[in-house]
Amino acid sequence: GQNIDQPTEMTATEGAIVQINCTYQTSGFNGLFWYQQHAGEAPTFLSYNVLDGLEEKGRFSSFLSRSKGYSYLLLKELQMKDSASYLCAVYNFNKFYFGSGTKLNVKP
Amino acid sequence: EAGVVQSPRYKIIEKKQPVAFWCNPISGHNTLYWYLQNLGQGPELLIRYENEEAVDDSQLPKDRFSAERLKGVDSTLKIQPAELGDSAVYLCASSLGGEETQYFGPGTRLLVL
Repeated sequence: GQNIDQPTEMTATEGAIVQINCTYQTSGFNGLFWYQQHAGEAPTFLSYNVLDGLEEKGRFSSFLSRSKGYSYLLLKELQMKDSASYLCAVYNFNKFYFGSGTKLNVKP
Repeated sequence: EAGVVQSPRYKIIEKKQPVAFWCNPISGHNTLYWYLQNLGQGPELLIRYENEEAVDDSQLPKDRFSAERLKGVDSTLKIQPAELGDSAVYLCASSLGGEETQYFGPGTRLLVL
């Protein structure tokens, strides 16, 4: 089966840095996506990793290690609007498998 | 460019009633997905279309759920009859191709009473 694990909830302070981890065990791997989902809204695309290493996009960076089945999303200079759920999704054999999401609470 | 459009945004029905959801994907996107998302969970795939062909419907409960994408553009998802456990958010997403980034619509929140 496919197994994707993320912490359920995290809390961080405005202006700080937070790292959200995702570990996966899947029968194959073609890429890993991160999505942001505000409460009551649709998921929106943040990043995509297919090769090992760090992808940086403004305040957000995503890292992938395929040998370890591990990824993380790094959010810098946290803002209140970053309070949301962050979904890790593995693309494998024409299917996307989503984790349950990590709810990030940013406090002043 | 318009995003993925879904309607209705909210629907409340009594159990055993039928319900239908509509999705219009981003123009030019050949791949269309229907997902179900329960509170506090990630989206779970119900069906995936490549143009008008359903290429993956293995997770669709076919006894009560049906879907169509007749002209390879708009799609409808139907539940008949609805059960209490069907209360969830139904998300539609589209992409240029199967491996491309998916873009999600706002979803339809279904409450079955």
